[in-house]
Amino acid sequence: KAGVTQTPRYLIKTRGQQVTLSCSPISGHRSVSWYQQTPGQGLQFLFEYFSETQRNKGNFPGRFSGRQFSNSRSEMNVSTLELGDSALYLCASSSGQRHSGNTIYFGEGSWLTVV
Amino acid sequence: DAKTTQPNSMESNEEEPVHLPCNHSTISGTDYIHWYRQLPSQGPEYVIHGLTSNVNNRMASLAIAEDRKSSTLILHRATLRDAAVYYCILSGGPNNAGNMLTFGGGTRLMVKP
Repeated sequence: KAGVTQTPRYLIKTRGQQVTLSCSPISGHRSVSWYQQTPGQGLQFLFEYFSETQRNKGNFPGRFSGRQFSNSRSEMNVSTLELGDSALYLCASSSGQRHSGNTIYFGEGSWLTVV
Repeated sequence: DAKTTQPNSMESNEEEPVHLPCNHSTISGTDYIHWYRQLPSQGPEYVIHGLTSNVNNRMASLAIAEDRKSSTLILHRATLRDAAVYYCILSGGPNNAGNMLTFGGGTRLMVKP
């Protein structure tokens, strides 16, 4: 079956602009998580959505937001972009059952450069 | 969240077994031990996970200490394609209602031909 699909793969934005990234999870998966990866901070959890509700949230400012649609597809938005938001943004999906043994599948990520 | 400790880097020769250690002395009874790896310019890839018993799959084996305070990921025959950063992650606990993974620095595995 198809894996986690993220679009766009690469994008360049200017400081102060906003950006929306999209993620299509594996068919049947109801949990979608977002992560930010930078050379300095590594991989950091942003938030998780399950059945259109935010279930977990990481320690990021309110400029970072997300949502999930009824078909489980998810978008994340970053407003008022800063240079430090340049990163690889990864989406991950899983069945979302409430235990810790779920396998989580990652997409290839969206590379965001802020200039 | 319980933390894990891994060596920053390891080297291996091609076609030899590799043992990647992970310490998690504060693991709770409900924490699963997950291993993911990340190849250059790709998203993390699931390798294996377990709770108490040793686990095997087509990619690797996971050996979990009896007290669960440490584990070892075993690649039986390293290939050049196994060169990646390997992350040992604990997932679970009463505050993790979902599927949030807390990544540490991981171990960068270098495989020499």
